[in-house]
Amino acid sequence: SQQGEEDPQALSIQEGENATMNCSYKTSINNLQWYRQNSGRGLVHLILIRSNEREKHSGRLRVTLDTSKKSSSLLITASRAADTASYFCATDRTGGGNKLTFGTGTQLKVEL
Amino acid sequence: DVKVTQSSRYLVKRTGEKVFLECVQDMDHENMFWYRQDPGLGLRLIYFSYDVKMKEKGDIPEGYSVSREKKERFSLILESASTNQTSMYLCASSARPRSTDTQYFGPGTRLTVL
Repeated sequence: SQQGEEDPQALSIQEGENATMNCSYKTSINNLQWYRQNSGRGLVHLILIRSNEREKHSGRLRVTLDTSKKSSSLLITASRAADTASYFCATDRTGGGNKLTFGTGTQLKVEL
Repeated sequence: DVKVTQSSRYLVKRTGEKVFLECVQDMDHENMFWYRQDPGLGLRLIYFSYDVKMKEKGDIPEGYSVSREKKERFSLILESASTNQTSMYLCASSARPRSTDTQYFGPGTRLTVL
């Protein structure tokens, strides 16, 4: 199975609401990253959180990391229709070389 | 801004053909990566390179090879395309060798093998 697994697989909310996506992983990591992918396009980096950090903010994004539970969450506040996309977590496994392992993604739909 | 370009957005090939997918980055990045993306499976790493003429296998290298003759260019080669290689192929680059910095992705090539 994937190192990173996102939950839920799909999420539909109204504009203005908050969206929360979760990522669980299996092995120790150096860092965890979140990426966004608009339909049929490449991925865009959103935020990176290191293993010694617990929370990080960037604009309307808030990421938390709980290494004891091997999980992370991405919160998008005051969502907009333009936030409609797939969101992926990617982990850098300790001792895994300079590679990222991506999860299967959460499809977010923000409706007007 | 970092720009990663891929040679084609859409490609249709026949079984048995040799297929070249080209990727170019303009930010002098050391690392380059090739992934394939399939529904329900996420992104899977095929090959990556941290230097010119260097390559390392990712998680699913079978049926693929790569070439990195110049720092800015990383090519993915399907020696004899098969229908199970129909997929979205994504190229990415990152700055520092042997580290897991932010990766910058190209727009992807959707390959169909008939």
